[in-house]
Amino acid sequence: ETGVTQSPTHLIKTRGQQVTLRCSSQSGHNTVSWYQQALGQGPQFIFQYYREEENGRGNFPPRFSGLQFPNYSSELNVNALELDDSALYLCASRAGLGSYNEQFFGPGTRLTVL
Amino acid sequence: SQQGEEDPQALSIQEGENATMNCSYKTSINNLQWYRQNSGRGLVHLILIRSNEREKHSGRLRVTLDTSKKSSSLLITASRAADTASYFCARQDSGGSNYKLTFGKGTLLTVNP
Repeated sequence: ETGVTQSPTHLIKTRGQQVTLRCSSQSGHNTVSWYQQALGQGPQFIFQYYREEENGRGNFPPRFSGLQFPNYSSELNVNALELDDSALYLCASRAGLGSYNEQFFGPGTRLTVL
Repeated sequence: SQQGEEDPQALSIQEGENATMNCSYKTSINNLQWYRQNSGRGLVHLILIRSNEREKHSGRLRVTLDTSKKSSSLLITASRAADTASYFCARQDSGGSNYKLTFGKGTLLTVNP
């Protein structure tokens, strides 16, 4: 166990709906990143938050948005869900922005869009 | 899109044998990391190797990095059934995009008892 928790574990939505996924970072970690992992693929970087501000974003449309709270927990929001959004969503936390700071991943939220 | 490839895509061996997985990439990196994932769940960090390092060991794991060939390998010695998992390499590029990890597609390792 890494100390990073995510909720919910599984979620089923229909196309066009909106979803919010939550991540609680490991104690002392102020940086949270979100990744999308489609079936049979490696994770793809969505964005990163550091001290409540987004400081890096991957190639995802604006309907993917996020928040980080003062306690460094984080949310990933996806609007206007599409079938291709079905995936495992992983969050990872680490202490600071140093390149060599190990990232600790949560167990993920599996989202199914019907 | 993902850049970098793991090779092979799938590997099946017997317990006690060694398993070698390779990773290639095309960019200039700050570091390269290896992760394990069991049954589509969370990723477990195995080893980080910096761009100025050539080899690192952790228990039964050995990672090498050849920046001139832009490749890395992960060796698991004396494999066990519990090593059955997907293994991913992830690079952190040097320069402005060093906030993210870029993963390959992974190698599915099956260790048969």
